[in-house]
Amino acid sequence: NAGVTQTPKFQVLKTGQSMTLQCAQDMNHNSMYWYRQDPGMGLRLIYYSASEGTTDKGEVPNGYNVSRLNKREFSLRLESAAPSQTSVYFCASQRGGLKETQYFGPGTRLLVL
Amino acid sequence: DAKTTQPPSMDCAEGRAANLPCNHSTISGNEYVYWYRQIHSQGPQYIIHGLKNNETNEMASLIITEDRKSSTLILPHATLRDTAVYYCIVRVALGAQKLVFGQGTRLTINP
Repeated sequence: NAGVTQTPKFQVLKTGQSMTLQCAQDMNHNSMYWYRQDPGMGLRLIYYSASEGTTDKGEVPNGYNVSRLNKREFSLRLESAAPSQTSVYFCASQRGGLKETQYFGPGTRLLVL
Repeated sequence: DAKTTQPPSMDCAEGRAANLPCNHSTISGNEYVYWYRQIHSQGPQYIIHGLKNNETNEMASLIITEDRKSSTLILPHATLRDTAVYYCIVRVALGAQKLVFGQGTRLTINP
């Protein structure tokens, strides 16, 4: 049981390049989330998926797209990376129902030059 | 969702109890108090949550005031591994939880 896994762990991009961050969970959770964390700041929600087949915008969705590929996988895509997207990206999952908590992955560190 | 206020930093001696306060004066009746922590560069980790009664688990205790406008997270015997940023988050427990992380409290455990 690996929990929430993210790939890659670290990535360097040039401005304008695209890439997809991958997230997978093996806990059979319904909800999945993408957050970003800038230096010295708390996490901010980018997108989330309350259940398979649905996605919704969070606090800072501009410049990103997501795909809930199946119940296990939730990917985050940067179509045209910008230096302002340099950040640490965390994926999380949650089973659902009352009082459930979120489990976070180890993060992907992205540097956009 | 109700906003929370936490001190930016705190220090505690190893082996002592660490008491981390959180103010949430605009909390609604159906909102829970959650605590997460983030150890350097890692993903946040759930600690504990509660509605109005005090809660205890293997990691910590949560004391919520009777008017629910503030709470305290207690780490009973802090160790060096408890050094982290602690986030107090208030939100409803139903459905997808769009957690709103503030700045948190940076807790440093000193030997």
